[in-house]
Amino acid sequence: GQNIDQPTEMTATEGAIVQINCTYQTSGFNGLFWYQQHAGEAPTFLSYNVLDGLEEKGRFSSFLSRSKGYSYLLLKELQMKDSASYLCAVRASGGSYIPTFGRGTSLIVHP
Amino acid sequence: DAGVIQSPRHEVTEMGQEVTLRCKPISGHDYLFWYRQTMMRGLELLIYFNNNVPIDDSGMPEDRFSAKMPNASFSTLKIQPSEPRDSAVYFCASKYGRGPDTQYFGPGTRLTVL
Repeated sequence: GQNIDQPTEMTATEGAIVQINCTYQTSGFNGLFWYQQHAGEAPTFLSYNVLDGLEEKGRFSSFLSRSKGYSYLLLKELQMKDSASYLCAVRASGGSYIPTFGRGTSLIVHP
Repeated sequence: DAGVIQSPRHEVTEMGQEVTLRCKPISGHDYLFWYRQTMMRGLELLIYFNNNVPIDDSGMPEDRFSAKMPNASFSTLKIQPSEPRDSAVYFCASKYGRGPDTQYFGPGTRLTVL
């Protein structure tokens, strides 16, 4: 089976930097996704990592360490609109390749 | 592209009634997924289809739940009879190919069973 762990809630200040961690235990590994979900809306894709290292995309960056079963999403220059839930999803190797979602981290950005 | 379309957006029903949720995937996508999201359990995969064929329904909670995909552009998720614990947001998502391409989610159906 798979086990994905994220903090339930985080708060940060507008303009700051925040790091949202995700640890996972899977039977094999074939990629990790980060999704953003605003309240009352559908999840939308942010990033995909399959190799170790940092992937940067504008204000958002995602890091992966396969040996540690660890990823983080880094959000810079926080804006109020970044208040949302951030979902980590892991794709195990073999079988269906369908990602399993963590329960998400609710980020609250305050002025 | 119109994206994944779901209907209804909101459904309120009474315990014991039949509920049917509908989904139209993005044209050309060959995978379709049904998810359920609750505060307690997060986003759970219920079932997914590949080329209209159900591949894995191990996430379907019990026999009261059934899903069909009669063609490439339409799928239904049915709950009969519904129970209060079925109250959740149900998302449909679609993607193309078996690779790491991202899933595109519909807006969801918020189901409340009284």
